[in-house]
Amino acid sequence: GQNIDQPTEMTATEGAIVQINCTYQTSGFNGLFWYQQHAGEAPTFLSYNVLDGLEEKGRFSSFLSRSKGYSYLLLKELQMKDSASYLCAVLNYGGATNKLIFGTGTLLAVQP
Amino acid sequence: ETGVTQTPRHLVMGMTNKKSLKCEQHLGHNAMYWYKQSAKKPLELMFVYSLEERVENNSVPSRFSPECPNSSHLFLHLHTLQPEDSALYLCASSQDQGLYGYTFGSGTRLTVV
Repeated sequence: GQNIDQPTEMTATEGAIVQINCTYQTSGFNGLFWYQQHAGEAPTFLSYNVLDGLEEKGRFSSFLSRSKGYSYLLLKELQMKDSASYLCAVLNYGGATNKLIFGTGTLLAVQP
Repeated sequence: ETGVTQTPRHLVMGMTNKKSLKCEQHLGHNAMYWYKQSAKKPLELMFVYSLEERVENNSVPSRFSPECPNSSHLFLHLHTLQPEDSALYLCASSQDQGLYGYTFGSGTRLTVV
């Protein structure tokens, strides 16, 4: 079966660092994505990992360990505008095409 | 316009109505997707179209009927829906089977009364 787990909610302080974890069990792994979704808006792409290790992009970094089925998204120098839902998704190969399978999302609240 | 555009943004319909959701992508992608997003639940993949052919139907009830007339347009036809079908319906598109990720529209917020 396929299973993607991430915490439901997190709270952090402006200027701090927060790490959002994601564990997964899927077959046909073709990469792991992180998306950001503000309320009422489209999910927007943040990062992509297909090999083990850390990918850094400005204030956002994402880590992947394929052997452990584990990823995290690291947000540095938090800003109020970072309050949003963060979606972990696995690109899963199965059947005729790849499919992006999502976790429930982590709602991050950044407080002053 | 750029990206993925969905209309309408909000829709309220009765259980006996027929309505359609529209999605248009201006990215030259060759695959399009419908997802359902309900509160406290993961995005649920409903349908996948690749090169205008439906390649995935994730056990979606027949009251949801997709249509992909060309690579830029995707519709979701709705009829005799139930209140539990109220959700945010998201359209997405991708190139090369999604190896570079999906681009999402802002969704249609559907309420069935």
